[in-house]
Amino acid sequence: GAVVSQHPSWVICKSGTSVKIECRSLDFQATTMFWYRQFPKQSLMLMATSNEGSKATYEQGVEKDKFLINHASLTLSTLTVTSAHPEDSSFYICSPGAGDYYNEQFFGPGTRLTVL
Amino acid sequence: DAKTTQPTSMDCAEGRAANLPCNHSTISGNEYVYWYRQIHSQGPQYIIHGLKNNETNEMASLIITEDRKSSTLILPHATLRDTAVYYCIVGSGGSNYKLTFGKGTLLTVNP
Repeated sequence: GAVVSQHPSWVICKSGTSVKIECRSLDFQATTMFWYRQFPKQSLMLMATSNEGSKATYEQGVEKDKFLINHASLTLSTLTVTSAHPEDSSFYICSPGAGDYYNEQFFGPGTRLTVL
Repeated sequence: DAKTTQPTSMDCAEGRAANLPCNHSTISGNEYVYWYRQIHSQGPQYIIHGLKNNETNEMASLIITEDRKSSTLILPHATLRDTAVYYCIVGSGGSNYKLTFGKGTLLTVNP
């Protein structure tokens, strides 16, 4: 299957700072990128969908100005949490889509964000 | 998209078969049944999917009822490493498809 990496795997930051999370698809070109977040003891919730070279589409209730997504290449997407607050503490997971190449979806290992 | 219903939790003895049920009574004709699992603090992992025929791969078997309103994921010989939350998802599929995760079933494999 496809290999997806995320960096960093965990990060602790102070309230008010910004944090960038990178997601790389290592062995295929991702035309679409899904970003999920998962609060403790809850299921994954889709935050946004981006297509390479275009603006991301955000799910209802997700602030696009707070969660900046860049999908500038077919192998790299970034999620920046701007002015992070403790309620943004969560597990962030990316999932690149490879179109017709694969039928299933692959996920990154996740990034644990803790905002103090 | 069709919704799914799964038990909140299940237990299984190590080495025994784990049978995880899923109800999807509103599934439409072109929708697949997908199973993913998530081991604690990791990203989800694809297991198997099917349309109407039973499917088997190196990880599991998927049994879909004839009316397609329910399915069962079978792990033939569960190990401790199979302890995870298992998600049954119904949709049109493909790797660009927007997955909607429910609460899933927490399978605990006991020694």
